[in-house]
Amino acid sequence: GAGVSQSPRYKVAKRGQDVALRCDPISGHVSLFWYQQALGQGPEFLTYFQNEAQLDKSGLPSDRFFAERPEGSVSTLKIQRTQQEDSAVYLCASSRGWGRGPNYGYTFGSGTRLTVV
Amino acid sequence: KQEVTQIPAALSVPEGENLVLNCSFTDSAIYNLQWFRQDPGKGLTSLLLIQSSQREQTSGRLNASLDKSSGRSTLYIAASQPGDSATYLCAVRVTQGGSEKLVFGKGTKLTVNP
Repeated sequence: GAGVSQSPRYKVAKRGQDVALRCDPISGHVSLFWYQQALGQGPEFLTYFQNEAQLDKSGLPSDRFFAERPEGSVSTLKIQRTQQEDSAVYLCASSRGWGRGPNYGYTFGSGTRLTVV
Repeated sequence: KQEVTQIPAALSVPEGENLVLNCSFTDSAIYNLQWFRQDPGKGLTSLLLIQSSQREQTSGRLNASLDKSSGRSTLYIAASQPGDSATYLCAVRVTQGGSEKLVFGKGTKLTVNP
């Protein structure tokens, strides 16, 4: 597609509920990233995929967070037993991978705003 | 650990002014630096990307500079307009052990008054 697509745009979950957030990266982009952005803060890194391989999950805040990209394209971020502190905007980004040039930057989606009540 | 700081946190200017947003980072070992714009409730829009070997990039009324050795970047906006009102985020791309990521500052919230 022309851009990074995320769904849903908004999600309200009751505390303890499981949620799944979807990201469709730009076609052909090998790298995919998930970020968490709290209100008034910059985005914080969660995890990184190169194709289907999850190379870095050091930013996932707890074992309730799980991400996958089974076929190297669409990715899902799953949060189990949601807590109020999970309320944030979850951003997905993709890139072509390694390379030097203006086309090798990150492209972000519009994000999913998760509210846990 | 790489840390990115943006100053000021907020800025309010009258329309037509030229302005400078500042970004500093603690570790000069960066792959590149990217400036983004974020409108309320929206995702991030890339403005400029500067490679670690470059000194500056220009796009329209925007000019970004990079001094890697001193860990600084500036975003210069000429002849500001109300439509420039948004939060501007600076991010450095870092690599470590086969992984990579962007490390962001907290942003500068810009308001341009008509």
